[in-house]
Amino acid sequence: GEDVEQSLFLSVREGDSSVINCTYTDSSSTYLYWYKQEPGAGLQLLTYIFSNMDMKQDQRLTVLLNKKDKHLSLRIADTQTGDSAIYFCAESGSSNTGKLIFGQGTTLQVKP
Amino acid sequence: DADVTQTPRNRITKTGKRIMLECSQTKGHDRMYWYRQDPGLGLRLIYYSFDVKDINKGEISDGYSVSRQAQAKFSLSLESAIPNQTALYFCATSDGDLSDPGYTFGSGTRLTVV
Repeated sequence: GEDVEQSLFLSVREGDSSVINCTYTDSSSTYLYWYKQEPGAGLQLLTYIFSNMDMKQDQRLTVLLNKKDKHLSLRIADTQTGDSAIYFCAESGSSNTGKLIFGQGTTLQVKP
Repeated sequence: DADVTQTPRNRITKTGKRIMLECSQTKGHDRMYWYRQDPGLGLRLIYYSFDVKDINKGEISDGYSVSRQAQAKFSLSLESAIPNQTALYFCATSDGDLSDPGYTFGSGTRLTVV
């Protein structure tokens, strides 16, 4: 079945790089996503990568996709206290329903 | 105004009561979804709808029902609330266009069943 796994917690110092990892099971997923949830707010689409790409960079964010290992990562360069949030990995799955399968979410704590 | 609006933002209700959570959107999207979020479990799909005549169960639909009153409105009902339905509920929309993937989420409804 479809499943997405993430570690639950990551703590870094301000200015360091953060790397959040995710594994997924459905190799037919067209897109893989990273969402950010700030306290008291809904989920906001941070970035996404098409399944035929290996890497996508957007300012401080770098997404790496290893299709062979079904592994997705999000690197945040020069992490700031405002980056403290829960980060969700999601896959689009094999059906055409538009359903997204979410991981458990990784809480990123950025220490000053 | 927000693209996806959920009401109420917070609600405390008693076991056995019927409660409705409402969602409206101005995105013009056909597809709407209800998810619940529990700590350590991520988001799980309750129901989804492709249009007013198309309603589908998600992975955890037991104890819930939905109504798609219009393209812009999708409500979630708990017929007889129980404490393990205490969670954060999110409505989301998408247009299903592969060139513009991803969801737009509402701000969520925090529901507590006592």
